[in-house]
Amino acid sequence: SAVISQKPSRDICQRGTSLTIQCQVDSQVTMMFWYRQQPGQSLTLIATANQGSEATYESGFVIDKFPISRPNLTFSTLTVSNMSPEDSSIYLCSVDLDNSPKAFFGQGTRLTVV
Amino acid sequence: GESVGLHLPTLSVQEGDNSIINCAYSNSASDYFIWYKQESGKGPQFIIDIRSNMDKRQGQRVTVLLNKTVKHLSLQIAATQPGDSAVYFCAENSGYALNFGKGTSLLVTP
Repeated sequence: SAVISQKPSRDICQRGTSLTIQCQVDSQVTMMFWYRQQPGQSLTLIATANQGSEATYESGFVIDKFPISRPNLTFSTLTVSNMSPEDSSIYLCSVDLDNSPKAFFGQGTRLTVV
Repeated sequence: GESVGLHLPTLSVQEGDNSIINCAYSNSASDYFIWYKQESGKGPQFIIDIRSNMDKRQGQRVTVLLNKTVKHLSLQIAATQPGDSAVYFCAENSGYALNFGKGTSLLVTP
């Protein structure tokens, strides 16, 4: 398994501002993903964070709204830009280990936009 | 599009009883399935997985059954304990990332 640390664990933000969420893994991983979990809902994949290249976004998610960085094999950031109350969700980082499809998750960042 | 869904959004069981959580999937190309447990305020935690070349896999107190004919997946928890209270998600991987079902909230009552 892997230890995945997300910061912050929670935040309350004003609408129109941006928040950057950090994901740190205790070992080098090839695949890192960002998911959104809206209140009472399941997880939806936002994007795959690619090391050394632009992230791959899923339908309905765009780089201007959710810019992602992946500077190395242990770290990634997700920014939620120009926030609105509809962005209030839990944002989760996950990783695959050794090309296994089994994903491990961080504890999530609970974002509330007011 | 393809979807992964759950039959029951909530399930209440008495402590000591067995729990069964069901999941339907629509992508016949799915070759890997996982069950996750998510406790309040935490990220999903891996429980058990199964590949499409199997129809049953057992872990400690948990069993996953896969019926590819009807595209159905189930998680059985034996002797359910209060610590099993959580939301359970099934997920399938037919490519590079996981596609999650809607989740079932399991409540264990004394």
